[in-house]
Amino acid sequence: EVQLVESGGGLVQPGRSLKLSCVASGFTFNNYWMTWIRQAPGKGLEWVASITNTGGSTYYPDSVKGRFTISRDNAKSTLYLQMNSLRSEDTATYYCTRVKGYIHFDYWGQGVMVTVS
Amino acid sequence: DIQMTQSPASLSASLEEIVTITCQASQNIGNWLAWYQQKPGKSPQLLIYGTTSLADGVPSRFSGSRSGTQYSLKISRLQVEDIGIYYCQQASSTPWTFGGGTKLELK
Repeated sequence: EVQLVESGGGLVQPGRSLKLSCVASGFTFNNYWMTWIRQAPGKGLEWVASITNTGGSTYYPDSVKGRFTISRDNAKSTLYLQMNSLRSEDTATYYCTRVKGYIHFDYWGQGVMVTVS
Repeated sequence: DIQMTQSPASLSASLEEIVTITCQASQNIGNWLAWYQQKPGKSPQLLIYGTTSLADGVPSRFSGSRSGTQYSLKISRLQVEDIGIYYCQQASSTPWTFGGGTKLELK
């Protein structure tokens, strides 16, 4: 069974940093791209960052580029999101997702809440 | 960026009714379109990818189609467990973008 378990969320002041983790199990982690997607309270879904299966390439929307860094440790089957210079508009539930094909998200974690205030 | 415009924003329907949700892309995205369902208090789940392909375990009452740059999700016979918010997502080019969502409720 595929499982994605996020951790590391919490309350943080504007301008500070936070690092999210996602431990994957139930599949061969190093075969898949991975992605972070967020959802502000009561709002829709926003793509945040993606990383190739080897970690060799990363992708970001302009809203987080230069502030967020996605990375992975394939030996530990763990995905990370380093978030710097946090803003109130980064307040959201962050989901770790597995990428299937080109490009959709077939498994989602339970989500972790980040509050910037 | 490619904009994905979903309609309606909310929808109330009866059990066993046919429900259709549409998603308009601001430019050509081919068949690079996915649909997700988010039940109350839960994480989103993949329903359909590649415009028409059902994800594993998704009931056959769900189907997807395309006409030009307009994409549709159809539920052939609405069930109680189908209540939630539905999102489309384009996978044609970055930034990968989602529609604003359609909230489906029971009448």
